[in-house]
Amino acid sequence: QKEVEQNSGPLSVPEGAIASLNCTYSDRGSQSFFWYRQYSGKSPELIMFIYSNGDKEDGRFTAQLNKASQYVSLLIRDSQPSDSATYLCAVRRGGGSNYKLTFGKGTLLTVNP
Amino acid sequence: AAGVIQSPRHLIKEKRETATLKCYPIPRHDTVYWYQQGPGQDPQFLISFYEKMQSDKGSIPDRFSAQQFSDYHSELNMSSLELGDSALYFCASSQAGRTDTQYFGPGTRLTVL
Repeated sequence: QKEVEQNSGPLSVPEGAIASLNCTYSDRGSQSFFWYRQYSGKSPELIMFIYSNGDKEDGRFTAQLNKASQYVSLLIRDSQPSDSATYLCAVRRGGGSNYKLTFGKGTLLTVNP
Repeated sequence: AAGVIQSPRHLIKEKRETATLKCYPIPRHDTVYWYQQGPGQDPQFLISFYEKMQSDKGSIPDRFSAQQFSDYHSELNMSSLELGDSALYFCASSQAGRTDTQYFGPGTRLTVL
């Protein structure tokens, strides 16, 4: 089982809809959680990070974390065609010098005009 | 705002040749990470440096080596290149003690022929 699992895509939503991206992780020692957006052939771009249980909102994006269920999600409201990209969930164990990110395989989102 | 700089952006090598990739972190960032992303794959952690010392090591082949210099830039040296080394190589940087959020550079696309 991969350490970080994301809902298999591709995910297609109409413009203006809510896109919901999900991620589960297996390491209970994970402390920090990140969502990156990656356009084809480009580098991952940080969208949001979340450390505490609950919701965190930033503009059209809301990240949700439930450590008991080992689940993190990203909601994109009012989806735009420019949101079409692969969304990578990443977790970090933290502590000491162990700050590497472990990524999921990504979910390809397509927002249709 | 200044971002992570990587050079070269594209590199074509023959099998068994060597390659050197360079990374210049965001100013005041003291930690550098290297990731490899194969076609259709998620980024895989290779190695990281904090304050010029190796801080963590992932799935980096013995043919690869890396270091961080006094000005915090880092170089990834790859020898005896194989076809399977063709990938995007990303460098990310962060500032320890703050959110430790990793910001990615534009990547180097390495093609081994």
